[in-house]
Amino acid sequence: DAGITQSPRHKVTETGTPVTLRCHQTENHRYMYWYRQDPGHGLRLIHYSYGVKDTDKGEVSDGYSVSRSKTEDFLLTLESATSSQTSVYFCAISAVVNQPQHFGDGTRLSIL
Amino acid sequence: ILNVEQSPQSLHVQEGDSTNFTCSFPSSNFYALHWYRWETAKSPEALFVMTLNGDEKKKGRISATLNTKEGYSYLYIKGSQPEDSATYLCAFITGGNQFYFGTGTSLTVIP
Repeated sequence: DAGITQSPRHKVTETGTPVTLRCHQTENHRYMYWYRQDPGHGLRLIHYSYGVKDTDKGEVSDGYSVSRSKTEDFLLTLESATSSQTSVYFCAISAVVNQPQHFGDGTRLSIL
Repeated sequence: ILNVEQSPQSLHVQEGDSTNFTCSFPSSNFYALHWYRWETAKSPEALFVMTLNGDEKKKGRISATLNTKEGYSYLYIKGSQPEDSATYLCAFITGGNQFYFGTGTSLTVIP
C-alpha cells in the first residue's frame, strides 16, 4: 500500500472554528490532492499540489486553503468551518498526473 | 464545472454473469481517463489509466476501452464474482490537470 496517512481520521467541531487536515506521504510523489466525498456527488477536487509551494484550485475550492511546505505534507485548512463543509475528505498522491492516484483512508469531518 | 456521467448508477448481477458499465465525458480537452474500484469502508484503488483513443486495458477478468472522439469509456467484468462487488469510479483528467470524477456505478454480485 502507498504510504499515505491522513490525520485526524475523525473530527467533530463547531461552525466558525478553524480546522486543519493533514496528509502525509512517504512515497516522495510530486502530486498531492484533496477531495471531498458527498452523497450524490462522488469525489470532487478541492485543491491539488504539483510541488512544494505549488498549488492550484480544483472544482470546489471556495472556503478552503492549502499549503505544502514540504514534499511529504499537504495541509487542507477550513478557515471558518461551515455546516456545508461536513463531508469525508480524501487525500491522494501520484508521481505524475497521468499515473493512477493512491488514496488515503479518509477523514470524516462533522461541523455542527 | 464539467460533467462526467456514469451509467447505470447501480447494478445487481448473478455470480458468473458478465457485465459492463459506461463512463461519458466531454470529448474536448482530454488528457487521460482513470478507472478506480472502491470497496465499502476502504479507499479507491486504481484499475486503469487510459490516455489514447482506442486504448484497451485488461487486468484479469476486468477490461476497459476508450473512445476519446465520442467521449466514452466502457468497463467490462467477465464472469462476475462476489468479490467484484464495489463501486466503480471513472475520473476524467483535463489538459489543465483538473480531475473530475463520476458518481460511480455500484455493482452487487449475488452468489
